[in-house]
Amino acid sequence: SAVISQKPSRDICQRGTSLTIQCQVDSQVTMMFWYRQQPGQSLTLIATANQGSEATYESGFVIDKFPISRPNLTFSTLTVSNMSPEDSSIYLCSVVEGNQPQHFGDGTRLSIL
Amino acid sequence: AQSVTQLDSQVPVFEEAPVELRCNYSSSVSVYLFWYVQYPNQGLQLLLKYLSGSTLVESINGFEAEFNKSQTSFHLRKPSVHISDTAEYFCAVSLTGGYQKVTFGTGTKLQVIP
Repeated sequence: SAVISQKPSRDICQRGTSLTIQCQVDSQVTMMFWYRQQPGQSLTLIATANQGSEATYESGFVIDKFPISRPNLTFSTLTVSNMSPEDSSIYLCSVVEGNQPQHFGDGTRLSIL
Repeated sequence: AQSVTQLDSQVPVFEEAPVELRCNYSSSVSVYLFWYVQYPNQGLQLLLKYLSGSTLVESINGFEAEFNKSQTSFHLRKPSVHISDTAEYFCAVSLTGGYQKVTFGTGTKLQVIP
């Protein structure tokens, strides 16, 4: 399986600021995804990021709040903008290789003060 | 749309005892089913999957799950748990045929007691 590296692994931020999370994969993958896992809850898909096209956002998530870049087949970023305490979550990227199930990174643990 | 229900939010069990984590799904069409495990301060790891074929699937660390279409269930079992199995377990479902959106259950925290 692909090796996924997420940076930063954790961060504490002030409200009103923005943070960009990076997801690096050691092989080329077509489909990458960003999820949010709020405290004590399951995973919620934020958006699907395919190279060469705009990210597709799920209901309840908008580009202005969570802009995503996918410049190539091995890298993507998710920015959490104008953060509030409600954005405190684990943010995970995942990839799909061929017809295999989704494979996840270790996540970014974000706390907003 | 498909959905997943994990009835137990937490399951405490003594070491070397058997455990079953329950998962029921809802879908009007064929599905793929997955169990993912999340160890403390880590991301999700695929534990096992059912795509087709044998309804009993096994993982390399002793877990197994059985796809039961009539009961729409995919319960996870292990005959003897270890301290290292302490983690949160997520059941997930997707439609078949190419990439489909994966829907996760709310998770079950397995606490193995020494």
